[in-house]
Amino acid sequence: GQSLEQPSEVTAVEGAIVQINCTYQTSGFYGLSWYQQHDGGAPTFLSYNGLDGLEETGRFSSFLSRSDSYGYLLLQELQMKDSASYFCADLVGNNRLAFGKGNQVVVIP
Amino acid sequence: DVKVTQSSRYLVKRTGEKVFLECVQDMDHENMFWYRQDPGLGLRLIYFSYDVKMKEKGDIPEGYSVSREKKERFSLILESASTNQTSMYLCATSSGGDYTGELFFGEGSRLTVL
Repeated sequence: GQSLEQPSEVTAVEGAIVQINCTYQTSGFYGLSWYQQHDGGAPTFLSYNGLDGLEETGRFSSFLSRSDSYGYLLLQELQMKDSASYFCADLVGNNRLAFGKGNQVVVIP
Repeated sequence: DVKVTQSSRYLVKRTGEKVFLECVQDMDHENMFWYRQDPGLGLRLIYFSYDVKMKEKGDIPEGYSVSREKKERFSLILESASTNQTSMYLCATSSGGDYTGELFFGEGSRLTVL
């Protein structure tokens, strides 16, 4: 089976940095994706790590360590619009993704 | 841009009714998926399809079936709706054989079963 563990909620002020961690236990693992979902909206793709290391996309970065079965999403220079839920999802073949339970980030002024 | 359209944003059905949720995509993607999303449980995969007339069970297929007669359309069917199927249903697509971890989601269909 698959288990993606994520903590539940984080509150941070504008301009701060937040790290969302994800541990996975899965077979047939190809890589780790991250998605953002605003209240009432559809999940949208943020990043994918197929190899170990750091991937940077603007204010957001994502990291993967296969040896530790661990990854994280780093949100920098937080803005109010970053208030959302963030999901990690492990890729197990042909874009079949198994999602974690999600982590809600609340940004306050 | 990929457009994934789900037929209904909100539905209210009664226990025992047959329910159809339809999803249409306009980007010629091979892969289509149905997830349900419940608070505290994340997104769980119900069924998926990699090609026309092909379907595979996901993690929670019980009580559901699917149909893919055309490449662009993937339907989720609840043969006899039950209250525990009250949920948000999300359709997603991706191009085939492309290990990018990127899915394109529709806006969701919120189903309430009374």
